[in-house]
Amino acid sequence: DAGVTQSPTHLIKTRGQHVTLRCSPISGHKSVSWYQQVLGQGPQFIFQYYEKEERGRGNFPDRFSARQFPNYSSELNVNALLLGDSALYLCASSSSGGALLFGPGTRLTVL
Amino acid sequence: ELKVEQNPLFLSMQEGKNYTIYCNYSTTSDRLYWYRQDPGKSLESLFVLLSNGAVKQEGRLMASLDTKARLSTLHITAAVHDLSATYFCAVDRASGTYKYIFGTGTRLKVLA
Repeated sequence: DAGVTQSPTHLIKTRGQHVTLRCSPISGHKSVSWYQQVLGQGPQFIFQYYEKEERGRGNFPDRFSARQFPNYSSELNVNALLLGDSALYLCASSSSGGALLFGPGTRLTVL
Repeated sequence: ELKVEQNPLFLSMQEGKNYTIYCNYSTTSDRLYWYRQDPGKSLESLFVLLSNGAVKQEGRLMASLDTKARLSTLHITAAVHDLSATYFCAVDRASGTYKYIFGTGTRLKVLA
């Protein structure tokens, strides 16, 4: 079975631009979560979606938004990029009773 | 403020030695997770600890959970170079929500 997939793998943007990151959960998993990991730190929770509804939001500005589609895939959007948005963005899916299973991540560099 | 703290932050150890990584947390969650991360890679799930007193072992790694003390340990036995990585513990903000708070990470380097 395929694990969590994310695209693109790497992305370079300039300040002020917009970015869309994509994620497909493990087949059968209905929940998707997004995390931001800045270099040298632990991941920080951004969003959680379940059955297309937002179930939680971390301490991130409104420039960050997300959605989940009927096939349970998800998009994370970030507007008006700042240098500090440079990070590894991780998507994870989960099933009841288990741990979050993370995708390979998208490394975003903002210049 | 909800916090998860790990110590040490950095650990350099000789092959064959034993050591323990500590994870203290302030939430009331009774679930704790351990992950491994290799440089430039994503997170790999190692252990899921679901109740007080839970102990899990895989190879040279053993994890335990004391929910009363809000403490988890990751014990390394007879370390080998392949265990070099960063190890994170994580807890739910509230049990079963899967909204994790991650620790600061422990960067482990095993020297041959």
